[in-house]
Amino acid sequence: DAGVIQSPRHEVTEMGQEVTLRCKPISGHDYLFWYRQTMMRGLELLIYFNNNVPIDDSGMPEDRFSAKMPNASFSTLKIQPSEPRDSAVYFCASSFSTWGYTFGSGTRLTVV
Amino acid sequence: GENVEQHPSTLSVQEGDSAVIKCTYSDSASNYFPWYKQELGKRPQLIIDIRSNVGEKKDQRIAVTLNKTAKHFSLHITETQPEDSAVYFCAASNPGGGADGLTFGKGTHLIIQP
Repeated sequence: DAGVIQSPRHEVTEMGQEVTLRCKPISGHDYLFWYRQTMMRGLELLIYFNNNVPIDDSGMPEDRFSAKMPNASFSTLKIQPSEPRDSAVYFCASSFSTWGYTFGSGTRLTVV
Repeated sequence: GENVEQHPSTLSVQEGDSAVIKCTYSDSASNYFPWYKQELGKRPQLIIDIRSNVGEKKDQRIAVTLNKTAKHFSLHITETQPEDSAVYFCAASNPGGGADGLTFGKGTHLIIQP
C-alpha cells in the first residue's frame, strides 16, 4: 500500500485565492482526519469523517474552511478565500476504527 | 473537550542515557494514548500506543506507562541513539465514545548529544 497520499506537497497562493488540498486514504480505512500544524498551535484536529460522513467539524476555524469526502478513496479540504494566517502544514490521516492513525506527507501551504 | 499537556518542551540527553517525556490529560473518558515521532519536515509516525486496560507496554527500547487515576502517561526511551532525535507528541482520545479524533500535546524536541 502506498500509504496516505496528499497533494500538492507545497502550495503558495495569494491572499483571497481559493485553495484545495487533496487526500487519498489507505484502502480499507474507515476514518479520515484533517489536521493543521503550526509552531504556535501544534497539531489541531479540523474535521474527521467516518465511512465518508463528517462526524465532528468543531475544529474548523471559520466558514472559509470546508471539507468533503465524496467516496471512500478521496477527500478535499478547501479554503476560500485564503488568508496569510492560514499558512501551515495540513495533514490528512486515516485509520481503521480510530486506532493508530497513518499520516500523509502533508501539504505545506503558504498564503502571501 | 480533551486537553493534553506535555513536558518538557525540549529535552537534551547524552547518547546512551534514558529520556522520559510526560503527558497529562483532562478527560477521564479517554482510553487510547498513542505516541508519535516526527522528524524535521516529515510526517508524524506512530511509535507506540497504550489502551486504558493496560498499565505498561514495551517495545524494545521504548516503553509507555499509564496512570489512569492520576490521568498521566509517560514515554521512556532507553539507550538513546542519535536517530532518536526528533519531536515526540503524545495524544489522547476516546474511540467510539464521541471523541474519535486524537488531541495532541504540544510536542517535546528530543536532542541526543553525542
